[in-house]
Amino acid sequence: KQEVTQIPAALSVPEGENLVLNCSFTDSAIYNLQWFRQDPGKGLTSLLLIQSSQREQTSGRLNASLDKSSGRSTLYIAASQPGDSATYLCAVRLYAGGTSYGKLTFGQGTILTVHP
Amino acid sequence: GAVVSQHPSRVICKSGTSVKIECRSLDFQATTMFWYRQFPKQSLMLMATSNEGSKATYEQGVEKDKFLINHASLTLSTLTVTSAHPEDSSFYICSARVRRGDGYTFGSGTRLTVV
Repeated sequence: KQEVTQIPAALSVPEGENLVLNCSFTDSAIYNLQWFRQDPGKGLTSLLLIQSSQREQTSGRLNASLDKSSGRSTLYIAASQPGDSATYLCAVRLYAGGTSYGKLTFGQGTILTVHP
Repeated sequence: GAVVSQHPSRVICKSGTSVKIECRSLDFQATTMFWYRQFPKQSLMLMATSNEGSKATYEQGVEKDKFLINHASLTLSTLTVTSAHPEDSSFYICSARVRRGDGYTFGSGTRLTVV
């Protein structure tokens, strides 16, 4: 059974800092990995999608890396801003058919607070 | 980009009543829709997978008679919480993808409170 762990559970940083959020997964047979942002009481906004054949993806101040063999992904946020404050979730999709097809397994999330 | 519209965003109902939540894919056809629930300060847990024109597949421990899923068209899936009780109070959210290999797009979620 795939298990996804995110560290740290919470992070509070001053504005302007660069930061790294970590995600690890137990089953390396993944189809892809997706990072999401969730604001309180809201749905999920997709930030970055990394296919299993890729090593990293970038979007603006965000960079996500994937090391499938070691079961790890990191989300790097450069020059953090108060508007980045949210819960960040990583989710993996298994490379499998049958009943596992299409399912996402989520980590518990990292609650990020960026203070001015 | 792909948009999944979910309604209502918030609902309060009395114990024993039923509540229907709708998810529509606005600019694509979703043959498969996934339904999740999220308790406060916890992550998302998959409840069921709905497939257009066929029965939904429920995760272990999810009561299919309580959480009725209908996926009657390629753009609409509904989740009905029947005979709701306070312990069903939660955040329900749906997701779908445009095509194979894409990431998933999520609805905005429904906050259900059963009093």
